[in-house]
Amino acid sequence: AQKITQTQPGMFVQEKEAVTLDCTYDTSDPSYGLFWYKQPSSGEMIFLIYQGSYDQQNATEGRYSLNFQKARKSANLVISASQLGDSAMYFCAMSFTGGGNKLTFGTGTQLKVEL
Amino acid sequence: DSGVTQTPKHLITATGQRVTLRCSPRSGDLSVYWYQQSLDQGLQFLIQYYNGEERAKGNILERFSAQQFPDLHSELNLSSLELGDSALYFCASSVGARSSYNEQFFGPGTRLTVL
Repeated sequence: AQKITQTQPGMFVQEKEAVTLDCTYDTSDPSYGLFWYKQPSSGEMIFLIYQGSYDQQNATEGRYSLNFQKARKSANLVISASQLGDSAMYFCAMSFTGGGNKLTFGTGTQLKVEL
Repeated sequence: DSGVTQTPKHLITATGQRVTLRCSPRSGDLSVYWYQQSLDQGLQFLIQYYNGEERAKGNILERFSAQQFPDLHSELNLSSLELGDSALYFCASSVGARSSYNEQFFGPGTRLTVL
């Protein structure tokens, strides 16, 4: 079975600093995708970044980058130059081809950006 | 705005009642997913439909059912409601159904409160 683990329930970071949110996963499926979503206090789920299991390079999207270490089964999200608007809950999720593309989510990390 | 719409935004009802949540996917998306987000269970996949057919099933209770109509909108029916069914219910949509990469776009959610 697929499993996503986020071990940091809460994180603090100062504005303009970089922060890394941890995510490890477990799957026996060779083809899978890793996603990060942001959930602000308003409740919506916002897609941030995707990494495929066969991708050779780490994914980047603006200030977001994904540090993908396949052998260690980790997919950490790095947010550079944090902004106050980055304060939110962040979820790591996985999908795999054999599972009809459903997403399995971690428990989330609550990020607070401070002045 | 993800392009996925959900109605109603909020729903308050009593135990034992039945409710219907509605979702319209993004234009062109054939897959619809339902997720439940609760404090004790986190974000959980319930069920997926692809072009009108059930494609994958997760932790969906027998009291819950869903369908996807020819116009691709979907409804999630929750019956014999219990206090523990109080949660945020998300609908998501994606273009396909089988690739490990199918970015899922989430709707704003329906917050269900069972009193």
